[in-house]
Amino acid sequence: DTAVSQTPKYLVTQMGNDKSIKCEQNLGHDTMYWYKQDSKKFLKIMFSYNNKELIINETVPNRFSPKSPDKAHLNLHINSLELGDSAVYFCASSQSQGASGEQYFGPGTRLTVT
Amino acid sequence: AQKITQTQPGMFVQEKEAVTLDCTYDTSDPSYGLFWYKQPSSGEMIFLIYQGSYDQQNATEGRYSLNFQKARKSANLVISASQLGDSAMYFCAMREGLGIYNQGGKLIFGQGTELSVKP
Repeated sequence: DTAVSQTPKYLVTQMGNDKSIKCEQNLGHDTMYWYKQDSKKFLKIMFSYNNKELIINETVPNRFSPKSPDKAHLNLHINSLELGDSAVYFCASSQSQGASGEQYFGPGTRLTVT
Repeated sequence: AQKITQTQPGMFVQEKEAVTLDCTYDTSDPSYGLFWYKQPSSGEMIFLIYQGSYDQQNATEGRYSLNFQKARKSANLVISASQLGDSAMYFCAMREGLGIYNQGGKLIFGQGTELSVKP
C-alpha cells in the first residue's frame, strides 16, 4: 500500500497552460506539504496544511494554489505556467506540525514546461 | 543565512568502507529535529535517520548512524560498510519548533551531497 501517492508522475505542458497535481496520503496524518526541487536538486517548502488549513505559504507566486478537500488530500493547481516552474514537485505528510517523527514523501511529479 | 549546510557537493567511497557526510545547522530554537534523506537516481525521497535536539544518544538505524554534536551544531551521517546501492544524493534537513512551539512542520534542506560508491 502506497503511503503518499501523487499523480501524475510526469507532466509536460506548454507555457501559459493551467495544470494540477494531486496528492493523497493513507497514513492518517494531519499535516501535508508541497516541496519544489529545482534543477540543482535544491528542495524548498512551498506550502503546509494542517487539517485542511493553510499553515505555511512560503512566498510562492499566487499562480500556485493548493487545495485540501480533506486531510488526506492536498492538490496543487498552477495557473499560467512559466518556464521557471519546471521542477520536481514533492508532496509529503507528517503526523502533525510539531511531530518529531519522519516526514513521508510521495514519489514526486516531474513538471516540464516548454 | 543558510540554516543547513552540506559542504561536500560530491564524494567517492570504496565499497565496504565507511563514509561520513557532513552537515552543520544553524538555529536558535532549543527544540528541533535533524533528518537525513536519500534520493537515488530514481528520484524518490527515502528517510534514513532522525535525531531530536534533546536526544541524549546518537541515533542509529542499521548501517546508518548520526554523529550529533550539539555544541558544534553538526549532525554528520555515517554510513558503514558502503554498498553499491548507497550511490545517491543525500540530504540533511532540519525541522524547527517541535512540540507546541511548532512552526508549521516544514523541513529545511541542505544542498545535498552526491555519494558515489566504487566497486
